[in-house]
Amino acid sequence: QQKVQQSPESLTVSEGAMASLNCTFSDGTSNNFRWYRQHSAKGLEVLVSIFSDGEKEEGRFTAHLNRANLHVSLHIREPQPSDSAVYLCAVSMRQSTGNTGKLIFGLGTTLQVQP
Amino acid sequence: GGIITQTPKFLIGQEGQKLTLKCQQNFNHDTMYWYRQDSGKGLRLIYYSITENDLQKGDLSEGYDASREKKSSFSLTVTSAQKNEMAVFLCASSIGTGGALYAEQFFGPGTRLTVL
Repeated sequence: QQKVQQSPESLTVSEGAMASLNCTFSDGTSNNFRWYRQHSAKGLEVLVSIFSDGEKEEGRFTAHLNRANLHVSLHIREPQPSDSAVYLCAVSMRQSTGNTGKLIFGLGTTLQVQP
Repeated sequence: GGIITQTPKFLIGQEGQKLTLKCQQNFNHDTMYWYRQDSGKGLRLIYYSITENDLQKGDLSEGYDASREKKSSFSLTVTSAQKNEMAVFLCASSIGTGGALYAEQFFGPGTRLTVL
């Protein structure tokens, strides 16, 4: 069973400083990685999806994937107080039946951006 | 764009009660999902459905029933609420069925359940 772990559990950064979040997974055949953001009492908002090794940028959010190291990270450039939220890493792989790949979520990193 | 609506937003139940949560999407997506989010446990998949009247069990299906009445709606029933249970139930949808590897899952705002 795929295991997804996120670190750190919580992170506080100053406005404008880079924020870096980490996610490790256990199944090296995984090929579908997503970062979500969840503001308090709200649903999940997808930030970046990445499917191959390397880097993927979406605005101020950049994901780095290294499948050999079982690691995917999220970097937030110039974070703002409105970026304060829980960030969730989700990993899946296509199943042999061809049905929708199940997403396995990490427990999240709580980011606080101070003005 | 589309939207996913979940009702109710807050649900307070009694131990042993059967409780139903509803989800509607207007993306015209084929696949819909129900997740449970507990503090310290992340999101876990309860059921998903790739088309109307289809149901697939997730990791946490015991204690739940689901129903995909039509393409746009997916209901979840807690068959017997457990005392002091507190969790958020999130509904999601994505385009496509079997080939949905790269399909984004879009999430609703959640239903917060408290069992007294």
